[in-house]
Amino acid sequence: GENVEQHPSTLSVQEGDSAVIKCTYSDSASNYFPWYKQELGKRPQLIIDIRSNVGEKKDQRIAVTLNKTAKHFSLHITETQPEDSAVYFCAASIGYGGSQGNLIFGKGTKLSVKP
Amino acid sequence: DSGVTQTPKHLITATGQRVTLRCSPRSGDLSVYWYQQSLDQGLQFLIQYYNGEERAKGNILERFSAQQFPDLHSELNLSSLELGDSALYFCASSVGLGTYEQYFGPGTRLTVT
Repeated sequence: GENVEQHPSTLSVQEGDSAVIKCTYSDSASNYFPWYKQELGKRPQLIIDIRSNVGEKKDQRIAVTLNKTAKHFSLHITETQPEDSAVYFCAASIGYGGSQGNLIFGKGTKLSVKP
Repeated sequence: DSGVTQTPKHLITATGQRVTLRCSPRSGDLSVYWYQQSLDQGLQFLIQYYNGEERAKGNILERFSAQQFPDLHSELNLSSLELGDSALYFCASSVGLGTYEQYFGPGTRLTVT
């Protein structure tokens, strides 16, 4: 079946440093790649997404890049702050069949930002 | 606040029992998705409904079922509960079919004792 791999599983950075989380996907027909932030015990919150016709998208301190040839995409957080500490999930859309458009999630990255 | 509501917030029940979780999508959204998140686990897709009809199934057990009503709210029914069913259950909604943004509700934490 289709799969999304996410690395690293845990990431610890100093406040002010950058953080990068990487995901690879297997479905070459995937065309939508969202990122979710989940604080402990709370709902996953959509923070940024990218579609396959775009290579990069930025929103303030957050950016996502997509390499369709290599089938990988990455989340970049600059000038990290303690409130960025959370679990981050990447996802890729299923590209065909009855489940087209549904999302397959990576296993998550626990980001800790140390003051 | 995503606009997706879920009730109840917490549910504690015993093994063998049956529970119903409820979800109301954002205004205007026709698709509802159910996910299960066990401790320290990712999001496992269970089932999707669109405008009242089942559209896709994921790793949903036969003991679990769902439906979406004419007013578009959805219910997830979990029966013959086992200890391993303890988890956070999220619903999400999106505008339609296809690659639309999914917005998650606050979740229902189910504890089976």
